[in-house]
Formats: sequence, C-alpha cells, structure tokens
Amino acid sequence: GNSVTQMEGPVTLSEEAFLTINCTYTATGYPSLFWYVQYPGEGLQLLLKATKADDKGSNKGFEATYRKETTSFHLEKGSVQVSDSAVYFCALSPKAAGNKLTFGGGTRVLVKP
Amino acid sequence: DSGVTQTPKHLITATGQRVTLRCSPRSGDLSVYWYQQSLDQGLQFLIHYYNGEERAKGNILERFSAQQFPDLHSELNLSSLELGDSALYFCASSVATGGGSPLHFGNGTRLTVT
Repeated sequence: GNSVTQMEGPVTLSEEAFLTINCTYTATGYPSLFWYVQYPGEGLQLLLKATKADDKGSNKGFEATYRKETTSFHLEKGSVQVSDSAVYFCALSPKAAGNKLTFGGGTRVLVKP
Repeated sequence: DSGVTQTPKHLITATGQRVTLRCSPRSGDLSVYWYQQSLDQGLQFLIHYYNGEERAKGNILERFSAQQFPDLHSELNLSSLELGDSALYFCASSVATGGGSPLHFGNGTRLTVT
C-alpha cells in the first residue's frame, strides 16, 4: 500500500536558520505529492505541491522537489521566521485514487526568536 | 479561511452516546473527505463522498457512518462512542476527484469522550 515517512520532531530552530524536513514515500505509479501545514488550533493548509517527477513546488519561501529516483519530497526553507512554527505534513495522492491523501506522521517545528 | 465550515468546534460526550459532526464544503466543491487526527494514529482517512455518492472508504469503523446531502453538506455520525474515539475530526473538500487537486480543510471538530 501507499505510505509516507517523515522525520519525527520536534525540530527546534533559531530565527533565520535553514530548515529541512525529510519526506520519503512508497506508492505504486507516480503519485502527486503535497506539503500541508497546520498552525495551532487550525486545520491543514496546502503549502505546496508537485505532480510529476522533477517538479518543484514552492510557496512562502518553502520549496520541495519531486525526486522519483529517491522517492523523496523534502521540504526546505532558507530562513525561517517565528511565524513558521507549526506542524508540517507530507502527503501523497495516487492520481487515479479519487484524491485520497495519505499523510505522514507530521513534524512539529518550533522557531525561537 | 479555507471556506470549509465544520460544526461544532468542540463536543464532549459520554461513552455509549451518539454524535453528529457537520461539514459545509467550499462553494463549488463536490468532493467531501473526512479524516480523523489522533495522537497515536496520526491523520487517518475515513471516507470520501462525491456529489452525494460514496467514493472511497478508509479506516472507518462500522460504528461510524457518513452521508452527503443534495446541498453537498456532509455529516459524520459516530455511535456507541468509546474513549478511543476522542480525536480531532477534519472535513476537507475539493472541486474534483482526480489526484493532484488540493484538499481544503476545515478547522475540525474536537471530540472528547469521557
């Protein structure tokens, strides 16, 4: 079956530090890949996505590249802010499966001033 | 604001009881998805409806059921509640069913079973 594995948190960083959250997946075919972010007390928000190999998704300074050869979709941001403190979820959706998302376990990120 | 509305925000009830969670999708979205988020299980897909029809089932217990009405709002019914059903229940909607269309999540209903 499909699965997503992402690094466990919490990840604690200082403001302006570089952030990487690793995500690898197992799926048949070539799924679409997503990063969602969940701020305290809120639902999940789509951060970025990529639908085919070598695509780079980007938004709000975050980037992730769809790597078919390593089945990975690592999230990066060059300079984090306190407002980036949240839980980040990597997810996949097989293209033919009705959009059902399979999520990783989530990574809590805490950015300190 | 995602445009997806879930009510109520919080629900506290006793074991053995039955509750109904409600979701109004974004305007124009035909697909509704229900997810359960708990500390030990993470985010688990429960069920998917498209334009009133059930399209996929995930790890949904037999004690749980859902439906999507003609006005596209959806309800998730949880019965014979157990302590382990305490969780955050999210509804999400999307315009289509094809993989690649993003899901838009509501803020969830926090269920506490005592």
